Amino acid sequence: QSVLTQPPSVSAAPGQKVTISCSGSSSNIGNNYVSWYQQLPGTAPKLLIYENYKRPSGIPDRFSGSNSGTSATLGITGLQTGDEADYYCGTWDSSLSAYVFGTGTKVTVL
Amino acid sequence: QITLKESGPTLVKPTQTLTLTCTFSGFSLTTSGVSVGWIRQPPGKALEWLALIYWDDDKRYSPSLKSRLTITKGTSKNQVVLTMTNMDPVDTATYYCAHSPSGIPGGYWGQGTLVTVSS
Repeated sequence: QSVLTQPPSVSAAPGQKVTISCSGSSSNIGNNYVSWYQQLPGTAPKLLIYENYKRPSGIPDRFSGSNSGTSATLGITGLQTGDEADYYCGTWDSSLSAYVFGTGTKVTVL
Repeated sequence: QITLKESGPTLVKPTQTLTLTCTFSGFSLTTSGVSVGWIRQPPGKALEWLALIYWDDDKRYSPSLKSRLTITKGTSKNQVVLTMTNMDPVDTATYYCAHSPSGIPGGYWGQGTLVTVSS
């Protein structure tokens, strides 16, 4: 059972915006950087956001990350059919001395 | 260009030990700050972080699996080996290795290898 909780699914029409929450605690999100990963069906996860809000080269600015206390949020604007995927948050947990992933969120473009 | 690739058996029997190898290129595991991690994903389920080895041979393990896991540098400088003992059908999953700067799975992952545990 993951220590990071995400909603199982979110959906919106093309062009709209979705946000995905990631809820943790002071031992993980509250004191460590959060990363976000996109996993398209049948493929390996892809890094979307690192250090809470930074985007690797090649990731469009439609994807954004933010943190507040013990929660993190991934935002996707201008939703496209190609954004249909599973999304995971991840961070170090200082108490566990281990990296932890969130429960995952499936994004559906209506 | 950084690449990683997992290799190992696709089928193991319950109680057996699984040995997976991650062969990488484009970076050195002797460079300060560099690490390689293992992550798995059971079919239809979420990602689960397993273990990590740092450039200085420091290691971290998932607390829930620590007693069954061992991560080491391979005999080749560009390999990392993960062993998991006492395999069970619930360990059936796709196993990934990832370049993990400062311990965080980053922008480079292997394609994954599906391991099925069945008698």
